[in-house]
Amino acid sequence: GAVVSQHPSRVICKSGTSVKIECRSLDFQATTMFWYRQFPKQSLMLMATSNEGSKATYEQGVEKDKFLINHASLTLSTLTVTSAHPEDSSFYICSAPGQGVISSYEQYFGPGTRLTVT
Amino acid sequence: AQKVTQAQTEISVVEKEDVTLDCVYETRDTTYYLFWYKQPPSGELVFLIRRNSFDEQNEISGRYSWNFQKSTSSFNFTITASQVVDSAVYFCALLLPGAGSYQLTFGKGTKLSVIP
Repeated sequence: GAVVSQHPSRVICKSGTSVKIECRSLDFQATTMFWYRQFPKQSLMLMATSNEGSKATYEQGVEKDKFLINHASLTLSTLTVTSAHPEDSSFYICSAPGQGVISSYEQYFGPGTRLTVT
Repeated sequence: AQKVTQAQTEISVVEKEDVTLDCVYETRDTTYYLFWYKQPPSGELVFLIRRNSFDEQNEISGRYSWNFQKSTSSFNFTITASQVVDSAVYFCALLLPGAGSYQLTFGKGTKLSVIP
């Protein structure tokens, strides 16, 4: 099956610094990728839709200037948390839909990145 | 707007018991997809099943079974003879292809604890 990787798996950063999270589709191309955030004991909340070659679409309440998304190629999307604060500490998960009409309704999830801001 | 409700926040069962996780969805679309995912403590989401709105057949996969009923907008998940390895958070999710964006709407999840 299709594989999505994320890097790093865990990151600890100091308040005020920026951190970049990478999401890669390893064996398929993804013109669209999704970024989710999951706080402890809560569900996944969609943050934004990353589109290759164009601007990301952000969900209501998500600061686009704080969470910078770049989808530079068909296999890579990056999420940069700028000027991170402790409240940004969370589990960030990316996903990509499969290829083909039917398969595109299948989401392939990355293993997630646990961000801790101290 | 679409919505997925998993009313059970946490469930505890003793090993070998059967357990059913409930999922109720809301949508006005006639074409949609329903999913179940398992999230073990490691955090990675594990795909369990996808069902489209035109296929109401129940599905069985080993100890897992799913009951899809459009009349009650429910897509319940049953684990038979539960095992400790089944302990995880289970999410039900809805996708509306008519929106063209392939976005998933997740329920809040049900944490299942299987006690040995």
